[in-house]
Amino acid sequence: AQSVTQPDIHITVSEGASLELRCNYSYGATPYLFWYVQSPGQGLQLLLKYFSGDTLVQGIKGFEAEFKRSQSSFNLRKPSVHWSDAAEYFCAVGAGRGNTDKLIFGTGTRLQVFP
Amino acid sequence: GAVVSQHPSRVICKSGTSVKIECRSLDFQATTMFWYRQFPKQSLMLMATSNEGSKATYEQGVEKDKFLINHASLTLSTLTVTSAHPEDSSFYICSARGTRSGELFFGEGSRLTVL
Repeated sequence: AQSVTQPDIHITVSEGASLELRCNYSYGATPYLFWYVQSPGQGLQLLLKYFSGDTLVQGIKGFEAEFKRSQSSFNLRKPSVHWSDAAEYFCAVGAGRGNTDKLIFGTGTRLQVFP
Repeated sequence: GAVVSQHPSRVICKSGTSVKIECRSLDFQATTMFWYRQFPKQSLMLMATSNEGSKATYEQGVEKDKFLINHASLTLSTLTVTSAHPEDSSFYICSARGTRSGELFFGEGSRLTVL
């Protein structure tokens, strides 16, 4: 069965520091992978997605993620974190027909940013 | 960009009453909408897939008689929590798949508190 694991429940970084949020997936075929951000009381906003092609994908707000098939990973990175990046981050894999019909989410990583 | 709106954003009700949550695609038509449930500090769990003009498809373990879903038009899906109980208190989020891009867009969520 498809699954997504985000090993880090909570991460704290200083503003300006680099960031990497880990995501591992389990999927039988080529996965469609997503990263979403959720601010408190808000819905989810898509940061970036990987369907095929270049394994390093660029997203909004300066985020990027790299798909590594050999490691079944899709880690999210940002070279310099801003205080406004504090939020909950969810990795997801598409699990339905067309691989975007249903999303299976990880448990999320809460990012805290100190000034 | 495409916008999905949910209403109400917050609702408090007494145990035993029913609550309706609306999910609207504001600037695009959505043949398919999805309803998720999110418990505090947990990930989103897909509850059901709502297809315009047909019955919703529920995920395993979700009571279809308790969580009534109606998708009567291409821009509106509703989730009715019938005879709500405190354990139904949760954050409910909908998403809609655009007919052109196929990308999923999420609403801002509705927080239900059952007293």
